[in-house]
Amino acid sequence: GIQVEQSPPDLILQEGANSTLRCNFSDSVNNLQWFHQNPWGQLINLFYIPSGTKQNGRLSATTVATERYSLLYISSSQTTDSGVYFCAVDSGNTPLVFGKGTRLSVIA
Amino acid sequence: DSGVTQTPKHLITATGQRVTLRCSPRSGDLSVYWYQQSLDQGLQFLIQYYNGEERAKGNILERFSAQQFPDLHSELNLSSLELGDSALYFCASSVDFSGGTQYFGPGTRLLVL
Repeated sequence: GIQVEQSPPDLILQEGANSTLRCNFSDSVNNLQWFHQNPWGQLINLFYIPSGTKQNGRLSATTVATERYSLLYISSSQTTDSGVYFCAVDSGNTPLVFGKGTRLSVIA
Repeated sequence: DSGVTQTPKHLITATGQRVTLRCSPRSGDLSVYWYQQSLDQGLQFLIQYYNGEERAKGNILERFSAQQFPDLHSELNLSSLELGDSALYFCASSVDFSGGTQYFGPGTRLLVL
């Protein structure tokens, strides 16, 4: 089945810093989503982005489907950005496969 | 708020017992998915229903079963519980049976003692 790798596994940032999280996948995808899991366990949809670029406030994401990767950019990070960021993909008629996540800690 | 609701939020039970987790999808969504998040296995797909019919099956144990009712809510039944079943169980929903955004509920945290 499709494999998903996320990097880095852990990231510690000072408040106000920018960061880039990466998601590599092993096959062509029908669906790619980025999620933020907050410290209370809630999984929050950030982007549905099987290809192209999207922006939402301080967050943006780019997926280059032909090269099988996606990037999540967080600018001017805040302590509320802390948590785990997951990338999940499916290749059509298959369930979502999640990466292991990037654990982000933003320090004031 | 994703629009997906799950009950209960927390559940503590003993080994060997049986529990039922409930999920109501977003209005208009026909697909319901169940996922398990445990410390050692990460987030794993269990099963999908679309408009009342089982659509896809993942790593779901035989002790677990699910169904989707005519009003589209879904229930996940976990029986003969073991310590290793302790996890966060998520329900997600989407409009169609394939592709498109999946919206996740707040999860049910199950602790088996």
